[in-house]
Amino acid sequence: QKEVEQNSGPLSVPEGAIASLNCTYSDRGSQSFFWYRQYSGKSPELIMFIYSNGDKEDGRFTAQLNKASQYVSLLIRDSQPSDSATYLCAVKAPGNTPLVFGKGTRLSVIA
Amino acid sequence: DTGVSQDPRHKITKRGQNVTFRCDPISEHNRLYWYRQTLGQGPEFLTYFQNEAQLEKSRLLSDRFSAERPKGSFSTLEIQRTEQGDSAMYLCASGPSETDTQYFGPGTRLTVL
Repeated sequence: QKEVEQNSGPLSVPEGAIASLNCTYSDRGSQSFFWYRQYSGKSPELIMFIYSNGDKEDGRFTAQLNKASQYVSLLIRDSQPSDSATYLCAVKAPGNTPLVFGKGTRLSVIA
Repeated sequence: DTGVSQDPRHKITKRGQNVTFRCDPISEHNRLYWYRQTLGQGPEFLTYFQNEAQLEKSRLLSDRFSAERPKGSFSTLEIQRTEQGDSAMYLCASGPSETDTQYFGPGTRLTVL
């Protein structure tokens, strides 16, 4: 059973702080890693993807991947109240395999 | 590009009825995926198509569920003899085969009474 684990939260951070969201996965063969943001009652929105070990930055978001530790994280700099949402980590193995999602971490940014 | 669209957005049905949902992917995407999501859970994979071929189907998917993508464009997901446990958000996503990225539609929320 391929698993993706996330702390369900809520993770509360003050406005302007860095929010750090973490995800671990069980399938060592996984090759593609995604972060989705989901507002309450809405569908997931793709915000970052990363394929190689290291950091990938896009605006206020940085994805970090460590395949040896089977760990992927998302950092949100200068957190805003509008960042308050559930963040879903998704992982994919090679070939015709589906995305496997974690249950998500609920982030609350306090003004 | 208007993104992935789904219809209807909401469906209320009685137990035992059949329901059908439609998904229109982003036009240049040849892969189309169906997921189901319940409260507090991440999306759960149901099935996916590359063009008109159904390449993968979840072993958790009962025989009451069927999906088609007859011309490699829009797709339909049918649930026969609905049960209360089928109540969920049904999400469609599309993406290019060159990458694993997937973009979700707004979803269809199904309530089975």
